[in-house]
Amino acid sequence: KAGVTQTPRYLIKTRGQQVTLSCSPISGHRSVSWYQQTPGQGLQFLFEYFSETQRNKGNFPGRFSGRQFSNSRSEMNVSTLELGDSALYLCASSPRGTGIQETQYFGPGTRLLVL
Amino acid sequence: GENVEQHPSTLSVQEGDSAVIKCTYSDSASNYFPWYKQELGKRPQLIIDIRSNVGEKKDQRIAVTLNKTAKHFSLHITETQPEDSAVYFCAATPSGNDYKLSFGAGTTVTVRA
Repeated sequence: KAGVTQTPRYLIKTRGQQVTLSCSPISGHRSVSWYQQTPGQGLQFLFEYFSETQRNKGNFPGRFSGRQFSNSRSEMNVSTLELGDSALYLCASSPRGTGIQETQYFGPGTRLLVL
Repeated sequence: GENVEQHPSTLSVQEGDSAVIKCTYSDSASNYFPWYKQELGKRPQLIIDIRSNVGEKKDQRIAVTLNKTAKHFSLHITETQPEDSAVYFCAATPSGNDYKLSFGAGTTVTVRA
């Protein structure tokens, strides 16, 4: 099976703009989680989607949002970009999304640079 | 919420020696503890995981131990090789519907040839 894919891989934006990132999970996987990775804060959980519903949300402002489509593909959106949003955004998928002891498989990430 | 602390932040070992990374967690309900390896410029990849009903798990040169009473778990790499050089992250996830991974800050392991 193909792994988790993310597009675009690299992105440069300016402050105030908005951005949409895309994640395609492993075929058959229904749960998609998003993480932000920065040198200072490490890997931080953004949100998780299952069956087109957001089930869990991390401690990020409302500028960060997401959605999941019926084919399990997911997008995340960041509005009114700030310099501090520069990071590697990783998505991860898991098979059933039961929340119990499932391995999460990561995509290659989208590296966002905000100028 | 879950808080995971990881030590040390950097670790340099001679090739062939062992490396040990330790993590502690705060949520006693956590029951799944994966370890991820992230090489420079690449995605995190699961290398080993342990469930709360198991005290130790081994996979070739890698082992993980779990002490639920003390709420800590450790990664052991024996006979280190240059390709073991990477950033290692521990994580914990609680049971129930709070489905997310809480990561430690990471340990940069450098294996000297």
